Amino acid sequence: DAKTTQPNSMESNEEEPVHLPCNHSTISGTDYIHWYRQLPSQGPEYVIHGLTSNVNNRMASLAIAEDRKSSTLILHRATLRDAAVYYCILRAPPSMNRDDKIIFGKGTRLHILP
Amino acid sequence: KAGVTQTPRYLIKTRGQQVTLSCSPISGHRSVSWYQQTPGQGLQFLFEYFSETQRNKGNFPGRFSGRQFSNSRSEMNVSTLELGDSALYLCASSSRVHVGRNYGYTFGSGTRLTVV
Repeated sequence: DAKTTQPNSMESNEEEPVHLPCNHSTISGTDYIHWYRQLPSQGPEYVIHGLTSNVNNRMASLAIAEDRKSSTLILHRATLRDAAVYYCILRAPPSMNRDDKIIFGKGTRLHILP
Repeated sequence: KAGVTQTPRYLIKTRGQQVTLSCSPISGHRSVSWYQQTPGQGLQFLFEYFSETQRNKGNFPGRFSGRQFSNSRSEMNVSTLELGDSALYLCASSSRVHVGRNYGYTFGSGTRLTVV
């Protein structure tokens, strides 16, 4: 079963910021929070990941709650090319020995309105 | 650097046949995972291979199997195909060792399998 909860769909206007929420109340102390997105007819694409602190990269920002039970992916200025399904997942820390299995939920389908 | 390569891109098979799908990971990545994606079930984990050993397996019947070679390339096999096996099969490569800022999976574009 997926360990994260996301809204099924969201809408946003082009060139406006988008905040995609994710709840992960059963997160363990060492789990990383990863976000992926899947554009139509493509495999999922890595967006960003974090552990405790907020993170920024050229694609997005990740805001992590202080208790780590929720996080928000922020697209600062949405474009039509950002229309995709966004997945929030938990992943164990890097290790040669630990199980490394990602459980994907249904994700959030983001619609961008021109 | 080259991404994850999956072959073939499209495949049509008949019920009862078997199929083998191939995945070449990013150079240096030793972990390869396989996923099945269908409209009804979404993305479901099949198995993960690391250093030629299956490290993890999802909840799929024994008809689904895989292997990994010494160069980290992986193959997935489905025997006795059923109509319900029609899906997009995705392969993802990753490093189990933290590599700076990008500790993530890189997915291929997938193989679209249609069983008729």
